[in-house]
Amino acid sequence: GAGVSQSPRYKVAKRGQDVALRCDPISGHVSLFWYQQALGQGPEFLTYFQNEAQLDKSGLPSDRFFAERPEGSVSTLKIQRTQQEDSAVYLCASSFGQGVNEQFFGPGTRLTVL
Amino acid sequence: QKEVEQNSGPLSVPEGAIASLNCTYSDRGSQSFFWYRQYSGKSPELIMSIYSNGDKEDGRFTAQLNKASQYVSLLIRDSQPSDSATYLCAVRQAGKSTFGDGTTLTVKP
Repeated sequence: GAGVSQSPRYKVAKRGQDVALRCDPISGHVSLFWYQQALGQGPEFLTYFQNEAQLDKSGLPSDRFFAERPEGSVSTLKIQRTQQEDSAVYLCASSFGQGVNEQFFGPGTRLTVL
Repeated sequence: QKEVEQNSGPLSVPEGAIASLNCTYSDRGSQSFFWYRQYSGKSPELIMSIYSNGDKEDGRFTAQLNKASQYVSLLIRDSQPSDSATYLCAVRQAGKSTFGDGTTLTVKP
């Protein structure tokens, strides 16, 4: 596709459930980023991949959060034992080169934990 | 204190006026700087990138960067109602981007 795609667009989970969020970057983009955006705030960095290597995961809020990009293309963000504070929009972005290049965002996945 | 600070607004300007959006950042090692526009319920859309001191113009938009003052701004000339949105400033070092919480701009017809 022409842009970054994410699925599902909306996810409702009961507290304690595991969820998996998918990101398809722009074809050929080397770098992939995950962000968490709470209502009324800017996106908060979670983690960053260059190809299949996870270069920075300093923003992951707890060990319940895990991200992978095994073949250097599609990425999955997994949240185990979801909590209400995990409710947010999860944004994925990709860029052509290494980290300093422009990032292009997908539409996001809105996660609601009940 | 947040690493990237923006006035939350709302900033209201009449149609056709110049809108001025400001951003300050704390990390002197920051390498690249970006402005994004975000409509309500949508994801951020890249407007401008700037990497060196000075001005960069693209159509009605001008980004200004002053690394010594740790300051970056965005000017929108001939503002249109369709420019009404939240504008996010982002600062990047290596792969990690830090965003401000955005300034909400309203352009009144």
